[in-house]
Amino acid sequence: GDSVTQMEGPVTLSEEAFLTINCTYTATGYPSLFWYVQYPGEGLQLLLKATKADDKGSNKGFEATYRKETTSFHLEKGSVQVSDSAVYFCARGQGGKLIFGQGTELSVKP
Amino acid sequence: EAQVTQNPRYLITVTGKKLTVTCSQNMNHEYMSWYRQDPGLGLRQIYYSMNVEVTDKGDVPEGYKVSRKEKRNFPLILESPSPNQTSLYFCASSPSGLAGAYYEQYFGPGTRLTVT
Repeated sequence: GDSVTQMEGPVTLSEEAFLTINCTYTATGYPSLFWYVQYPGEGLQLLLKATKADDKGSNKGFEATYRKETTSFHLEKGSVQVSDSAVYFCARGQGGKLIFGQGTELSVKP
Repeated sequence: EAQVTQNPRYLITVTGKKLTVTCSQNMNHEYMSWYRQDPGLGLRQIYYSMNVEVTDKGDVPEGYKVSRKEKRNFPLILESPSPNQTSLYFCASSPSGLAGAYYEQYFGPGTRLTVT
């Protein structure tokens, strides 16, 4: 069935380091792709999205490009901050169904 | 303030005792959905609703019921809870019922349920 696979965490980085969190998805149909972020004790918030191939989503310095040829939607940020510490979820959506990856915990140290 | 609210936020109950977790949104959204979050598994969709009186199963519907009698409310019902339903539950809503996965979903704060 449809699925989303993320790199396992936790990921620990120093402040100002470059971040990549890998995400791949199954290619059935033409899904929309999302990155959501969950801060400690809170619900999920949309970070960015892309709705078709080659679209780039961006927000708060984070970027991800919808790569149909590699079925990937990797999240990147050039310089992370302590405040970026959270759990990041990649998701694919089609119709009313949204399928999430298992989440990647990011910890940024000062 | 535009928001999704869930009640209760924390609940400890015993096996077999029926319970309801309420979800309400004040954004006039057509689409609503329930998820459970478990360590190492991410979020899994339980049920979703494209509009009033329209509900569909997600990936893990067993042991749960839902109803959508009004646009703003989408309660999650556990008729006979079991320990494997111990989890963190999130309700979410989205503007469009036709493309619930296209638009941003707005999540509630979560309900932590423990079934002993």
